[in-house]
Amino acid sequence: QVQLQESGPGLVKPSQTLSLTCTVSGGSISSGSYYWSWIRQPAGKGLEWIGRVYTSGSTNYNPSLKSRVTISEDTSKNQFSLKLSSVTAADTAVYYCARASPGKGYYDTWGQGTLVTVSS
Amino acid sequence: DIQMTQSPSSLSASVGDRVTITCRASQSISTYLNWYQQKPGKAPKFLIYAASSLQSGVPSRFSGSGSGTDFTLTISSLQPEDFATYFCQQSYTTPWTFGQGTKVEIK
Repeated sequence: QVQLQESGPGLVKPSQTLSLTCTVSGGSISSGSYYWSWIRQPAGKGLEWIGRVYTSGSTNYNPSLKSRVTISEDTSKNQFSLKLSSVTAADTAVYYCARASPGKGYYDTWGQGTLVTVSS
Repeated sequence: DIQMTQSPSSLSASVGDRVTITCRASQSISTYLNWYQQKPGKAPKFLIYAASSLQSGVPSRFSGSGSGTDFTLTISSLQPEDFATYFCQQSYTTPWTFGQGTKVEIK
C-alpha cells in the first residue's frame, strides 16, 4: 500500500521560496502511470490544485501559480518536490501531496498534509 | 478554469437523516466528477469517482449521480462518523478544480 509523507520548513519568510518534499513509500514513483500532485488548503477554505508531475517527468501547473511553481521528481530517492517562489501571506496553507491515475482523475492516496506559514 | 459550486455551504442534520449535496460545474464535464470527505485536521478521503462509482470500502449509504454540469452526493442515512466536510472535484480538464466544500454538522 502506497503511502505519502510531506516534509519541509513550516515557516517561510515573505519573498522567499517555499520548498516541500513528498516521500513515497510502499511503491516506486517510477512504476505504473500516475500523476504525483501538490494541492493546498488555506485554513478554513477549499482545496486548490497546484500542479503535478507525471511518471514520465512531464509537468502541468495551475495557470494562477505557473510563474512561481516548479514540481519535479527524484526517482533515486522515490520523492517528488514542490518549489513555490516569491511567497506572500496568501500562500499560507496546509500543503498536501497526492497521487492520481490519469485515466481515472481522482486522488486515491494523500499525504497527511503539512502547514506552511509565510511570515517574517 | 472550470468553476465548481457546491450547495449548500453547510447544513445541519440528525443521525438517520437523508442528506443531499449539490455540485454544479461552470461548463459540461461529462461524468469527470469525484467526491471526497474531509474531517478536521485530516487529508481528504476519496469516496466516489466518475460521478456515481463508489470507491471500494466506502459504505453503500453514499451514492452519487449526475452528468454534464449538475451532480449530487447523497447520504441515505446519516451516521455519526459522516459529520465532515464534503468536496467535489472535476478531472475533465486542467487545472483540476474543487468545490468550496459543504460542511455537514450535527443538528
